[in-house]
Amino acid sequence: AQSVTQPDIHITVSEGASLELRCNYSYGATPYLFWYVQSPGQGLQLLLKYFSGDTLVQGIKGFEAEFKRSQSSFNLRKPSVHWSDAAEYFCAVGVKSGNTPLVFGKGTRLSVIA
Amino acid sequence: GAGVSQSPSNKVTEKGKDVELRCDPISGHTALYWYRQSLGQGLEFLIYFQGNSAPDKSGLPSDRFSAERTGGSVSTLTIQRTQQEDSAVYLCASSSGGLAGGYQETQYFGPGTRLLVL
Repeated sequence: AQSVTQPDIHITVSEGASLELRCNYSYGATPYLFWYVQSPGQGLQLLLKYFSGDTLVQGIKGFEAEFKRSQSSFNLRKPSVHWSDAAEYFCAVGVKSGNTPLVFGKGTRLSVIA
Repeated sequence: GAGVSQSPSNKVTEKGKDVELRCDPISGHTALYWYRQSLGQGLEFLIYFQGNSAPDKSGLPSDRFSAERTGGSVSTLTIQRTQQEDSAVYLCASSSGGLAGGYQETQYFGPGTRLLVL
């Protein structure tokens, strides 16, 4: 079965600074990988996903993520953080057949300071 | 509707009581998912409905939990004889259901129902 780890529970960055949120997965084959964001009081929204092809994936709101098979990682990045990016971020891993549920990480809470 | 809606937004109940949580998926979406989000935890999969297929109930934590989906649209998650450890946010999501492997589809989430069991 697949699993996912988000090592950072909480990260604080200054507005305008760059951001990297870490995600490590465990799965025997090439996984499907997702990043979702949850703003306070809201449901989750998909930022981006990786299925195959180019390992650098562009998403919404200026986010990107890079799939690194050798490191079993799918880190989320943004070059310049905005105050509105403060939220909870979840990495999820799925299998290619799509017939088993996604496994979500425990999330990383992002705080943005002026 | 424009998005996934859930009701109630908040529910406070006493231990031992039954509760029903409702989910209205996006119109036309045939796949529907329920998750539980406990404090400091990720999302825990509960159940998945896809069209007329038998639901995947593999995530239901006990037989006190059940869910149904009537008419392929609205879904109700029922928790019987609630316990304090059931306190959590219950999230519903839907997806178009067009792919054979439904779990890989983009899921659209509702705002959740926050359940507190006293």
